[in-house]
Amino acid sequence: AQSVTQLDSHVSVSEGTPVLLRCNYSSSYSPSLFWYVQHPNKGLQLLLKYTSAATLVKGINGFEAEFKKSETSFHLTKPSAHMSDAAEYFCVVSDRGGATNKLIFGTGTLLAVQP
Amino acid sequence: EAGVAQSPRYKIIEKRQSVAFWCNPISGHATLYWYQQILGQGPKLLIQFQNNGVVDDSQLPKDRFSAERLKGVDSTLKIQPAKLEDSAVYLCASSLVAARGITDTQYFGPGTRLTVL
Repeated sequence: AQSVTQLDSHVSVSEGTPVLLRCNYSSSYSPSLFWYVQHPNKGLQLLLKYTSAATLVKGINGFEAEFKKSETSFHLTKPSAHMSDAAEYFCVVSDRGGATNKLIFGTGTLLAVQP
Repeated sequence: EAGVAQSPRYKIIEKRQSVAFWCNPISGHATLYWYQQILGQGPKLLIQFQNNGVVDDSQLPKDRFSAERLKGVDSTLKIQPAKLEDSAVYLCASSLVAARGITDTQYFGPGTRLTVL
């Protein structure tokens, strides 16, 4: 069975400092991995996705994530946080070997950015 | 390009009442998904349609939840009768395809926030 574990439910950083949101996954097949962001009262927006090409994936708004198979991790990073980055972030796994495009979401990490 | 549309945005009902949510996917997207997001949790897939056929409804509480996608475009999710634990945000998403070995991006609507009193 597939699953993702987001290691921090809350992360607080100061504006201009680096962001690290941690995610570990478990998958029986070659996984596809995603990071989605959810701003208050808005829909989920895709930040980036990994589908077996380059292990370092660049996304929107300066975010990137690195797929590390040996560590079963897919941590999200950004060099310098902006106030607008404050939101909830979800790590997601999809089973590329299965018959559907089913997404399994983590429980989310709430990112706070202090001025 | 227009995104996924959902209505209503908010709904408050009493337990044992019925409620329906509507979703209009992105034009041309064959696959449509309904997710339930309970406060403090990640979204959970309820049902997935490919055109107007059901691909996966294994986590849909079929005694009270139903969904349809007539003509392979719009979809309606219904709850009858509602329970307190159904309070959640109901998200609709769509993607171009969903097939073995293909990972297609899902695009999400703004959701409907349901409160059951």
